[in-house]
Amino acid sequence: QVQLVQSGPEVKKPGASVRVSCKASGYSFSNSGIIWVRQAPGQGLEWVGWIAPYNGNVRYAQRLQGRVSMTTATSMNTAFLELRSLTSDDTAIYYCARVDCSGGGCYWVYWGQGTLVTVSS
Amino acid sequence: QSVLTQSPSASGPPGQRVAISCSGSSSNIGSHTVHWYQQLPGTAPKLLIYNNDQRPSGVPDRFSGSKSGTSASLAISGLQSEDEADYYCAAWDANLNGHVFGGGTRLTVL
Repeated sequence: QVQLVQSGPEVKKPGASVRVSCKASGYSFSNSGIIWVRQAPGQGLEWVGWIAPYNGNVRYAQRLQGRVSMTTATSMNTAFLELRSLTSDDTAIYYCARVDCSGGGCYWVYWGQGTLVTVSS
Repeated sequence: QSVLTQSPSASGPPGQRVAISCSGSSSNIGSHTVHWYQQLPGTAPKLLIYNNDQRPSGVPDRFSGSKSGTSASLAISGLQSEDEADYYCAAWDANLNGHVFGGGTRLTVL
């Protein structure tokens, strides 16, 4: 069965960087994109970006451009999210999900369990 | 401020029908498909409806979706207590070149 397992919680100081991993199993990792979504405490969902493991193409949310990087290690079936110059506004649960596309739309059926990133001095 | 607009809350008694709306623009809902996600407290979102009106396997037919112009709607009939959750709409936005979400609607079953 398809599973996405994320790395554990992180606590970082303002200005630092964080890297979150998302290990996939149960399907051919290179065949599907991975998206990242975050959710600040008590807030709604925010799309962070999308990476295609098969060619490395990425799309980032405009408001995070310059601070965010997404990569994959196909040999490890793992996707990575790095966020730099952290502020308290980046405190959130970060989710990865597999991208499925059909009928002209792309959506997310399989999700990781989420990784809490806390930014605090 | 979310790109897609949802009412913050909705409610209804068990067995009732409730509709949750999602309003956007020509760059998102008007030209791309809409998807709906259900999020129970403390859990990851779950896909409820994709491509405007399609249900993934395992989602009860009490849940249905529709789209007209730049708006979309999620209907839940025969409300049950386990339907209490947050519901989010999502779509691709051509201007932002990324996916956008609604702010979420918290459903309370009275």
